[in-house]
Amino acid sequence: NAGVTQTPKFRVLKTGQSMTLLCAQDMNHEYMYWYRQDPGMGLRLIHYSVGEGTTAKGEVPDGYNVSRLKKQNFLLGLESAAPSQTSVYFCASSYGGRGTVADTQYFGPGTRLTVL
Amino acid sequence: RKEVEQDPGPFNVPEGATVAFNCTYSNSASQSFFWYRQDCRKEPKLLMSVYSSGNEDGRFTAQLNRASQYISLLIRDSKLSDSATYLCVVNDDKVIFGPGTSLSVIP
Repeated sequence: NAGVTQTPKFRVLKTGQSMTLLCAQDMNHEYMYWYRQDPGMGLRLIHYSVGEGTTAKGEVPDGYNVSRLKKQNFLLGLESAAPSQTSVYFCASSYGGRGTVADTQYFGPGTRLTVL
Repeated sequence: RKEVEQDPGPFNVPEGATVAFNCTYSNSASQSFFWYRQDCRKEPKLLMSVYSSGNEDGRFTAQLNRASQYISLLIRDSKLSDSATYLCVVNDDKVIFGPGTSLSVIP
């Protein structure tokens, strides 16, 4: 099993450009998450999904959109990139819901995004 | 008060030392707790879950104190390979990662 994979691994954008980050998991997990990690800030939840066809906002959702059309995929979109969105983006998935014993999260390797 | 707080460190310890990290959380209704490890420029990986009765995995021991709302991680006989950032995770109705504690084990 590949676990959680993310594409691309690196990307440089110019301000105003758009892009989509793809996350895929082969563990049949219901829950999927997108985080960003900045120096000194820790991991912050952008959006999450509790199942195919569902999405919900996390702590820092502004400037991002997501879609979960298939259970195994969770897409993160930046419609008009800004320098403040320069960060490392991690996708994660879990079997169970938040606050349950089955909510151990498995992370992808991350996408390093720079917006100039 | 932040929802999950950790001493950022860095903790610099010699090989073989014992080191302990604490993590405090603000929501008394929090239901599950974890320690994750993150190596430089890598993704976080689960180190261990934290149970009410405390749990041990080799050189690592995790404990939960609900009354005082903190969890701890004890590492005995530190190895060079233990050098990493240790993230505390608290789940209630949302997942909250602490900012992490940096550990450097020195030869």
